Amino acid sequence: EPEVTQTPSHQVTQMGQEVILRCVPISNHLYFYWYRQILGQKVEFLVSFYNNEISEKSEIFDDQFSVERPDGSNFTLKIRSTKLEDSAMYFCASSRQGARSNQPQHFGDGTRLSIL
Amino acid sequence: AQSVTQPDIHITVSEGASLELRCNYSYGATPYLFWYVQSPGQGLQLLLKYFSGDTLVQGIKGFEAEFKRSQSSFNLRKPSVHWSDAAEYFCAVGGGDDKIIFGKGTRLHILP
Repeated sequence: EPEVTQTPSHQVTQMGQEVILRCVPISNHLYFYWYRQILGQKVEFLVSFYNNEISEKSEIFDDQFSVERPDGSNFTLKIRSTKLEDSAMYFCASSRQGARSNQPQHFGDGTRLSIL
Repeated sequence: AQSVTQPDIHITVSEGASLELRCNYSYGATPYLFWYVQSPGQGLQLLLKYFSGDTLVQGIKGFEAEFKRSQSSFNLRKPSVHWSDAAEYFCAVGGGDDKIIFGKGTRLHILP
């Protein structure tokens, strides 16, 4: 069964540095998402992306965050200047149709981001 | 606003015993409801989903869930748990926009 793949599995970065988290969604999916999970807390929505633009974003997704689909397969999350509180597990997800449809979101295994 | 409540942070059951994990949601219209499972260090795997139709939905690994509109609940059940079911379980709601709202999760422990 096709999967969402995320790299790296663990990223350690100095505070203030830029970090890019990478995701390869399932190939025939059109909607892409990023979520994060701070240790011990619930999974929180960050952003959704469709047709090369952000369709929705949460309060967490401030100017330090950006997303991009640089080619036909990758979907990236960039944090421009990382803060300690950005330490979390970041999940990428994709779906064939939007969340308003009956197509579920499929999640990757996540990237654990540790900010020092 | 959409919200999901999982009242039990931890649940411990013996292997072979039955399981029910509780989930209550708040949503203005007919919700889309999901249960995901997360094993340690792993991602989120979809167990089952409810969009419409039969309120009792069957999922993978022998799990089922029942949508009860009158109680705003979507409880997850399994008749006989296995040690490999030990994980964290997340109930989630969606449908009004692009995001899924997750509950805080219930960690399931299995006694041998």
